[in-house]
Amino acid sequence: GIQVEQSPPDLILQEGANSTLRCNFSDSVNNLQWFHQNPWGQLINLFYIPSGTKQNGRLSATTVATERYSLLYISSSQTTDSGVYFCAVAGNQFYFGTGTSLTVIP
Amino acid sequence: DAGVTQSPTHLIKTRGQHVTLRCSPISGHKSVSWYQQVLGQGPQFIFQYYEKEERGRGNFPDRFSARQFPNYSSELNVNALLLGDSALYLCASSPSYEQYFGPGTRLTVT
Repeated sequence: GIQVEQSPPDLILQEGANSTLRCNFSDSVNNLQWFHQNPWGQLINLFYIPSGTKQNGRLSATTVATERYSLLYISSSQTTDSGVYFCAVAGNQFYFGTGTSLTVIP
Repeated sequence: DAGVTQSPTHLIKTRGQHVTLRCSPISGHKSVSWYQQVLGQGPQFIFQYYEKEERGRGNFPDRFSARQFPNYSSELNVNALLLGDSALYLCASSPSYEQYFGPGTRLTVT
């Protein structure tokens, strides 16, 4: 199966700071998504981004499929950004990374 | 539009029992997938169904089975429950590639 590695595993930020989360994957994929999992377990779609760059408010993402990585940028972080961020890729099935646990402190 | 719904929200079962979890996809989505998420890990793929046919199966024992109905809703069945089956079970529906997740069913096996 496809290996998906996310870094860093844990991140603590002061409110207002910026951050970059990275996702590396081991094989060609036809789908890549970023999710935010809230404390109740709900996976919230952030981006569907198999290639290229997208922006949505304070969040943006870039996937370089040929180099097998994706980046999620969070700018001006807020306490509500806290939670676990997952990258997931699809080959013949969907593979999730181990996640980045983000804590934003006021 | 209604999102993916799952039932029940929580349940507690005893080792050796059987459990059925249910999922209703977003209207118009024909693909449903099931995932298991144990504490501290990312979700693990269990099954994918499309148009009532199994399209993929993850590395789970035969105690796990699923089916999809004509209205595209789905059931996940787990027999002979073990303590290690305690997890959050997530259902996702998809119109093509992008997946949308339900709130999950939290299963505790005692």
